[in-house]
Amino acid sequence: GAGVSQTPSNKVTEKGKYVELRCDPISGHTALYWYRQSLGQGPEFLIYFQGTGAADDSGLPNDRFFAVRPEGSVSTLKIQRTERGDSAVYLCASSLMATDTQYFGPGTRLTVL
Amino acid sequence: GENVEQHPSTLSVQEGDSAVIKCTYSDSASNYFPWYKQELGKGPQLIIDIRSNVGEKKDQRIAVTLNKTAKHFSLHITETQPEDSAVYFCASWGYQKVTFGTGTKLQVIP
Repeated sequence: GAGVSQTPSNKVTEKGKYVELRCDPISGHTALYWYRQSLGQGPEFLIYFQGTGAADDSGLPNDRFFAVRPEGSVSTLKIQRTERGDSAVYLCASSLMATDTQYFGPGTRLTVL
Repeated sequence: GENVEQHPSTLSVQEGDSAVIKCTYSDSASNYFPWYKQELGKGPQLIIDIRSNVGEKKDQRIAVTLNKTAKHFSLHITETQPEDSAVYFCASWGYQKVTFGTGTKLQVIP
């Protein structure tokens, strides 16, 4: 399909483990965003990429969270030493340029036991 | 940072009636205001948006109004249908970053 895809759709891990969440944006979209959505809340901004570089990572909650986009397309969100409070749906969105229409992926539901 | 408040948190309407959801924002520099519909297990989907140089925008049964002076904007859905049932989020864009409201769960009763 031509939309944003995210893998895995669900991830269950144990406290203290390392996880990687993947986002495949729409081809040609230079802007890519990661969000975290807790139950009953709106998406919360984590990080924004313009091309390969992180233009704004002010939403990352702490240094256990890191994201990369080495070739300006696929992005990976990495979480070290997971905690139960990290449990949420992690959403990715892409757009042609910043503040253009964002297209969201279906999200990855992360559960930390 | 930007603060976006959204009301009501839940809304039930009879099929065919109108639904209105309201949001306020705090950053006077915000200039782009999209609305999203999110169905269970899916990511948010853009349904309509408005930029700060426009006061109103309409797309079939959906309209958005913006009052920049008062810093509030509203979503209006007319002739509601059961398939409109979902969670709706407003959002406000400042410089390169967006802040979402807390969502409104709309239930359209057949």
